[in-house]
Amino acid sequence: AQSVAQPEDQVNVAEGNPLTVKCTYSVSGNPYLFWYVQYPNRGLQFLLKYITGDNLVKGSYGFEAEFNKSQTSFHLKKPSALVSDSALYFCAVRALDTDKLIFGTGTRLQVFP
Amino acid sequence: NAGVTQTPKFQVLKTGQSMTLQCAQDMNHNSMYWYRQDPGMGLRLIYYSASEGTTDKGEVPNGYNVSRLNKREFSLRLESAAPSQTSVYFCASSVIQGARAEQYFGPGTRLTVT
Repeated sequence: AQSVAQPEDQVNVAEGNPLTVKCTYSVSGNPYLFWYVQYPNRGLQFLLKYITGDNLVKGSYGFEAEFNKSQTSFHLKKPSALVSDSALYFCAVRALDTDKLIFGTGTRLQVFP
Repeated sequence: NAGVTQTPKFQVLKTGQSMTLQCAQDMNHNSMYWYRQDPGMGLRLIYYSASEGTTDKGEVPNGYNVSRLNKREFSLRLESAAPSQTSVYFCASSVIQGARAEQYFGPGTRLTVT
């Protein structure tokens, strides 16, 4: 069965420092992996995805994520955090033979000035 | 291009009442989805529709019904609301075509059942 785990409920980082939000997954075969961001009282917004190709994926707002097949991880990163990055971040996985996304429980990112 | 729209934005129901949540997308997407979001549980799939005329159960379908009215519209109905259905409901759509597999979400409906 497909699953995705976000081991941290909250990540705190100072503005200007690098940030990492962790995600690990379990899926049969090759996965499609996604990161979404949710700002307060809003729907989810797509940030980036890994389908195939380069393991380092670049997305919106300066975010990037590294696909690591051996560790079954897809961590979200940004070199320099902004206060405006504070939001709820969701990792999601989809197997190639299904139309359904499985979401993690979310990680709240708090960037302090 | 409005993307994915949902109505209403907020709703309060009494236990046993019924209501329909409406969703529409103008991106010509084939697939549409209904999720509920609860604290600490992320998003859970209620129902989805891979194409017009088809619907399938997701992870938590009990107490809900759906209708894919046409390619644009996908509604979610609560026949007899229960307090356990208090949640934020999101509709989403996607094109399943090659690498274009991301989902686009509506703004959500916040439902309270008393």
